[in-house]
Amino acid sequence: SQTIHQWPATLVQPVGSPLSLECTVEGTSNPNLYWYRQAAGRGLQLLFYSVGIGQISSEVPQNLSASRPQDRQFILSSKKLLLSDSGFYLCAWSFQGLGIQYFGAGTRLSVL
Amino acid sequence: QKEVEQDPGPLSVPEGAIVSLNCTYSNSAFQYFMWYRQYSRKGPELLMYTYSSGNKEDGRFTAQVDKSSKYISLFIRDSQPSDSATYLCAMRINEKLTFGTGTRLTIIP
Repeated sequence: SQTIHQWPATLVQPVGSPLSLECTVEGTSNPNLYWYRQAAGRGLQLLFYSVGIGQISSEVPQNLSASRPQDRQFILSSKKLLLSDSGFYLCAWSFQGLGIQYFGAGTRLSVL
Repeated sequence: QKEVEQDPGPLSVPEGAIVSLNCTYSNSAFQYFMWYRQYSRKGPELLMYTYSSGNKEDGRFTAQVDKSSKYISLFIRDSQPSDSATYLCAMRINEKLTFGTGTRLTIIP
């Protein structure tokens, strides 16, 4: 069976510091991978998605970037965090060609 | 106009009641329709998905899709306190999902 791991669960970072959130998927190969941000009352906002190694699509211009260095690894990064980057970040995966996405446990990021 | 509209609630019902959660959408190109349940401070978990118009049942949950009206619903029968969560509808175009904002549901014992 497939599992998705996302860490850390909680992160408190000062403004201007760098960020690296990691997500890995086990039990499948060549998955689609997604990064979302969830703000209260605003649903899930798709930030990035990837259909293969090195293939990243950005949905929203912002202070963040994503990379996929390995087939089942997806990383969300920032060089300098802003207060507005605070939120709940979720990683998800899906089988290629199927629409159902499966989510990780999320990372709650507070930028102070 | 948002592509997917969902009543944010909050919705509180007594234990054992039937719950109806609804979403409307504007883009007729949406394909799969899904419902996710999200407990506080957790990631969303898939409850049900369907492709065609009509009803799909799974235990106490029934998902209903009306493509002609661009309307989907989730019914929960014999609601339990453990059903207290935020429910998100989601709809797929190609490889991406568009989510509603979620409805917060509380089942009162």
